[in-house]
Amino acid sequence: AQSVTQLGSHVSVSEGALVLLRCNYSSSVPPYLFWYVQYPNQGLQLLLKYTSAATLVKGINGFEAEFKKSETSFHLTKPSAHMSDAAEYFCAVSASFSGGGADGLTFGKGTHLIIQP
Amino acid sequence: KAGVTQTPRYLIKTRGQQVTLSCSPISGHRSVSWYQQTPGQGLQFLFEYFSETQRNKGNFPGRFSGRQFSNSRSEMNVSTLELGDSALYLCASSLEGRDLDEQFFGPGTRLTVL
Repeated sequence: AQSVTQLGSHVSVSEGALVLLRCNYSSSVPPYLFWYVQYPNQGLQLLLKYTSAATLVKGINGFEAEFKKSETSFHLTKPSAHMSDAAEYFCAVSASFSGGGADGLTFGKGTHLIIQP
Repeated sequence: KAGVTQTPRYLIKTRGQQVTLSCSPISGHRSVSWYQQTPGQGLQFLFEYFSETQRNKGNFPGRFSGRQFSNSRSEMNVSTLELGDSALYLCASSLEGRDLDEQFFGPGTRLTVL
């Protein structure tokens, strides 16, 4: 079984400040980890994904995340927040080992990022 | 390249009715997955179709069903609607649904059950 915990349903930062969104996972097998962003009335957009190639993953819009196995964490960061970053962010884990087919992504509850001017 | 499209975008039904939602994947994508998003439960995996076959299924009652056509378009059906079925239903497509295939999400269908 696998699960994802996102600490903080709401995170508020000032424009230009560091963004840190926390994600911890539980998985019985080496996981694939993802961060998605959802803007109001839109679907999910992939920000970045960890596939074991490198522990520090760079994504779109200046976001990056670091996989730390010892801490079972995959926190999302961005050095300087922009107003356009205001959205809902979801961490997800997948551990498909069936040899084919998507077992589906297991999502965290989401973190609403608020950017203060 | 056109993205994933879902129709209708908004739907209002009453308890006991049934509903069918449609999803057209990105051209060339053969895997289609469905997710339910609610404020209480968050995003939950419903099922995944590949080559017209349901390959994986989440933990939902049998009232939730789906199918996929030869052109990879997919439909999901919910019968005997309950108030708790009110949600945003998201469809995602990928090339073959393999581990590293990126899933592209549609804008969703917002279902309201009265």
